[in-house]
Amino acid sequence: GESVGLHLPTLSVQEGDNSIINCAYSNSASDYFIWYKQESGKGPQFIIDIRSNMDKRQGQRVTVLLNKTVKHLSLQIAATQPGDSAVYFCAENKANYGGSQGNLIFGKGTKLSVKP
Amino acid sequence: KAGVTQTPRYLIKTRGQQVTLSCSPISGHRSVSWYQQTPGQGLQFLFEYFSETQRNKGNFPGRFSGRQFSNSRSEMNVSTLELGDSALYLCASNGGRDTQYFGPGTRLTVL
Repeated sequence: GESVGLHLPTLSVQEGDNSIINCAYSNSASDYFIWYKQESGKGPQFIIDIRSNMDKRQGQRVTVLLNKTVKHLSLQIAATQPGDSAVYFCAENKANYGGSQGNLIFGKGTKLSVKP
Repeated sequence: KAGVTQTPRYLIKTRGQQVTLSCSPISGHRSVSWYQQTPGQGLQFLFEYFSETQRNKGNFPGRFSGRQFSNSRSEMNVSTLELGDSALYLCASNGGRDTQYFGPGTRLTVL
């Protein structure tokens, strides 16, 4: 049958406000998490990552929070700008220090719209 | 440092044909992963290559295959194309520190 498009959660914020994008991950054995930003017509762009031995990590205007108890990840964007408008994906993996584990598991994504 | 490059960027094929997509990872990266992105299924892992060997494979039929060359460049092939194979095919490069960096993708349309 015809496939149905994913219904992406949408978050609409005013320019200058803070944004919080949430993600529930599936595998309790995952110990490496990444947030990606995907703009229309482009591939996913790395934003920030966090390992399971941390519960918070900060980057430039972005903060990732990890709650392993409830398998929840969030991305906070401070002072959201129109250029932040995109679809945001969380991804999980089993870290393989010194090597590579190539199969990221992606969440469904959240569409962020920033109103000027 | 140049990023991940994928060619071609756009492709139109008809059902039953086969297609080959190419990916050049970031210089020095030896791992390449392929993903399929569709509106219905989102981003799904196809396979990963490391040092010319397939190290990991997702849940896709055997019509989907790939290979990696000694210079780390990778190709993926889809044979006997179906309408449902229409998707954005993404290649990701990994330098061994878990983070994957994506290319712009190849948009495949099957008519």
